[in-house]
Amino acid sequence: DAGVIQSPRHEVTEMGQEVTLRCKPISGHNSLFWYRQTMMRGLELLIYFNNNVPIDDSGMPEDRFSAKMPNASFSTLKIQPSEPRDSAVYFCASSLGPGHYYGYTFGSGTRLTVV
Amino acid sequence: KNEVEQSPQNLTAQEGEFITINCSYSVGISALHWLQQHPGGGIVSLFMLSSGKKKHGRLIATINIQEKHSSLHITASHPRDSAVYICAVSNFSTDKLIFGTGTRLQVFP
Repeated sequence: DAGVIQSPRHEVTEMGQEVTLRCKPISGHNSLFWYRQTMMRGLELLIYFNNNVPIDDSGMPEDRFSAKMPNASFSTLKIQPSEPRDSAVYFCASSLGPGHYYGYTFGSGTRLTVV
Repeated sequence: KNEVEQSPQNLTAQEGEFITINCSYSVGISALHWLQQHPGGGIVSLFMLSSGKKKHGRLIATINIQEKHSSLHITASHPRDSAVYICAVSNFSTDKLIFGTGTRLQVFP
């Protein structure tokens, strides 16, 4: 298995532009997470899907952020319009779901820079 | 007060030393995770445990549910162990993670 696949690895964009981050979870995993990592706030959960349904989006900063999971093998995180304070590393992770004590896997992350 | 606290924040060691990183949490959990992140790198799950002790190579993780405390031990440390080690917990109904602030470990030859 190739693990959790994220694209792009790096993204540099100008303020005001739309940014789309992509994630392919491990086949058979039922839960998908988007996390953001910054120097100031560390790692924090943005949104969590279970069986393609958003369960908890309380970490999504504001309306500029949206996430979708149209099927079990693909998810997107979109920022529109982007702002410099959105610069961070965005990680996607997947797992088998609550109650399973193995299988939590992170993607390599997307480093986003908004100038 | 953070729900997951780690200590120390920074740790330096000489190659070969025994290392301990501690994690305390204040919420009910179903599992505790130890994660490793190398500089500029991705996040690797080292352990996921709900009780007792797990061992993988030179790494050992223990958890005491009653005391809400976990430790990560590295035996015979090596420069390649230099990384940030992150403790995280998940609760009973979801497996979203709540993270500690991490421990930055540097092992010198």
